[in-house]
Amino acid sequence: DTAVSQTPKYLVTQMGNDKSIKCEQNLGHDTMYWYKQDSKKFLKIMFSYNNKELIINETVPNRFSPKSPDKAHLNLHINSLELGDSAVYFCASSPYDRNTGELFFGEGSRLTVL
Amino acid sequence: RKEVEQDPGPFNVPEGATVAFNCTYSNSASQSFFWYRQDCRKEPKLLMSVYSSGNEDGRFTAQLNRASQYISLLIRDSKLSDSATYLCVVIMNTGFQKLVFGTGTRLLVSP
Repeated sequence: DTAVSQTPKYLVTQMGNDKSIKCEQNLGHDTMYWYKQDSKKFLKIMFSYNNKELIINETVPNRFSPKSPDKAHLNLHINSLELGDSAVYFCASSPYDRNTGELFFGEGSRLTVL
Repeated sequence: RKEVEQDPGPFNVPEGATVAFNCTYSNSASQSFFWYRQDCRKEPKLLMSVYSSGNEDGRFTAQLNRASQYISLLIRDSKLSDSATYLCVVIMNTGFQKLVFGTGTRLLVSP
């Protein structure tokens, strides 16, 4: 049973399109995250939600809009895709009340913008 | 200057070797420190926490030097299966668990 699952795993699309990536966790965690890993393998936080409330919003273009319908789901919608958006997007979750430093990552969604 | 910096490598070592990676962080208010491991085309996974007193987990030893703001990871008796990218991670003092990742150090262990 996958703890953090993301769909789709692979996404190839044209510039200018709009796409969404979905994430679900069955760990009962309160906090979920989106990270972007670029071609240089740098993993950078984009957003974090705690119990559906946005708590971290890094300097991300407003073409990126996260949505958390409930604490087990955090989706990422990207408008007007650009070449530079090509990356692997990782969803992750953690329990809010324990600062253990352990994030549970999904397998990643590899986005390629042509 | 990046918040967390690592030598990207790759570090090429033979099986059985001892290898060490360092990582420096810029924010002196950083609270907690960790090493993650990421295999090729996989997600990162927590390897171990780093405590001020240093800690060991089998062949892996992690140390923290707050005065110099660096963290180290030592791997003894390297195995082929240790080949991966090792990510240094720092939690910033934001009140929330905001993990900042280094760019990672790639390790290749050869027979």
